[in-house]
Amino acid sequence: DTAVSQTPKYLVTQMGNDKSIKCEQNLGHDTMYWYKQDSKKFLKIMFSYNNKELIINETVPNRFSPKSPDKAHLNLHINSLELGDSAVYFCASSQEEDIGYEQYFGPGTRLTVT
Amino acid sequence: AQSVTQPDIHITVSEGASLELRCNYSYGATPYLFWYVQSPGQGLQLLLKYFSGDTLVQGIKGFEAEFKRSQSSFNLRKPSVHWSDAAEYFCAVGESFQKLVFGTGTRLLVSP
Repeated sequence: DTAVSQTPKYLVTQMGNDKSIKCEQNLGHDTMYWYKQDSKKFLKIMFSYNNKELIINETVPNRFSPKSPDKAHLNLHINSLELGDSAVYFCASSQEEDIGYEQYFGPGTRLTVT
Repeated sequence: AQSVTQPDIHITVSEGASLELRCNYSYGATPYLFWYVQSPGQGLQLLLKYFSGDTLVQGIKGFEAEFKRSQSSFNLRKPSVHWSDAAEYFCAVGESFQKLVFGTGTRLLVSP
């Protein structure tokens, strides 16, 4: 069983479109995260949710909106996509919000905006 | 703000040789330090972590890391590298109890 899964794995779309990336974890964890990895492999946290409550909201354009329908899911919706949004997006989860707990990462979604 | 520096972008090591990947951090208090590995097309996997106590920590896959406060370093080591160790390695520091800050990664290439 996949612990943290993301769909789709690849996403190619045009500028101005709206798209969503879905994330699900079956580990029973309370905290979920979204990270962005740019073309230089730099990995930066975007959001974290604990029990459906937003905990971390980094300086991210408000075109990005996370949605957590339940604690096993954290989806990322992106409006009006721009070329600079092209990146690999990773979802992760951990038992609790304390970084002392290991974060488990999904396989990533490669988003390409043309 | 906390930061992590991984000075080596690429490292090539012969299979069977020893490995050391460098990591330096900037943090005012006692840091929480981590090493993650990312295999091609995969997500990140935790290799090991340091919070306190023994400064030499053991991880999975035969890796270890040593915390040196005087040098603000947390270097990753492995005595004998296998071809399957070829991957991207990321060092990270806990900026708060909730947030990790990652370095820019070191790509390890293993030659036969």
